[in-house]
Amino acid sequence: DVKVTQSSRYLVKRTGEKVFLECVQDMDHENMFWYRQDPGLGLRLIYFSYDVKMKEKGDIPEGYSVSREKKERFSLILESASTNQTSMYLCASSGRDRDYQPQHFGDGTRLSIL
Amino acid sequence: QQQVKQSPQSLIVQKGGIPIINCAYENTAFDYFPWYQQFPGKGPALLIAIRPDVSEKKEGRFTISFNKSAKQFSLHIMDSQPGDSATYFCAARVRGNFNKFYFGSGTKLNVKP
Repeated sequence: DVKVTQSSRYLVKRTGEKVFLECVQDMDHENMFWYRQDPGLGLRLIYFSYDVKMKEKGDIPEGYSVSREKKERFSLILESASTNQTSMYLCASSGRDRDYQPQHFGDGTRLSIL
Repeated sequence: QQQVKQSPQSLIVQKGGIPIINCAYENTAFDYFPWYQQFPGKGPALLIAIRPDVSEKKEGRFTISFNKSAKQFSLHIMDSQPGDSATYFCAARVRGNFNKFYFGSGTKLNVKP
């Protein structure tokens, strides 16, 4: 079974702090994704990566950055946290596009910015 | 602009009923349509998926119906149980785009005993 592990289930930070969310997958997947989930809005893509050191913006990248130094690890960075970034953050990974691979999700990090 | 429109937002059925969740899309480049189930405190988990070359796929009590000409697909849950109470998301992806998926806004299902 694919396992996507997010380092924290709950996190409370203060406005202006730099926040790191970590995600590790154990399936040697090429693609990794960061979403935020808000009630009524579904899953919105923040950033994704298709290879080590490669990244692409998603639909809502403002205020975020990412890092992928190793294939199995994908980090989301809130450069200067703000209250409107309070949300559930989900990491996902998947194999190659050509193989009809679904995305596999971690259990999320619920982040509160005070 | 929502690429995949999902309805209803919430649904209440009695045990044994057949809840139906609908999704619609416009982009004809979509080529793979999974459904995910999410329980509180957990991430979405793949439930069932379909490609547009088939009109129906069944896995246990879960069925996807796909209407390519109408650009619609739906999830049916046969003999629903209280344990099926969860949020369900449909999704769609464009081939050749790094396996990016577009998700519906979710349907919260409550199956009453």
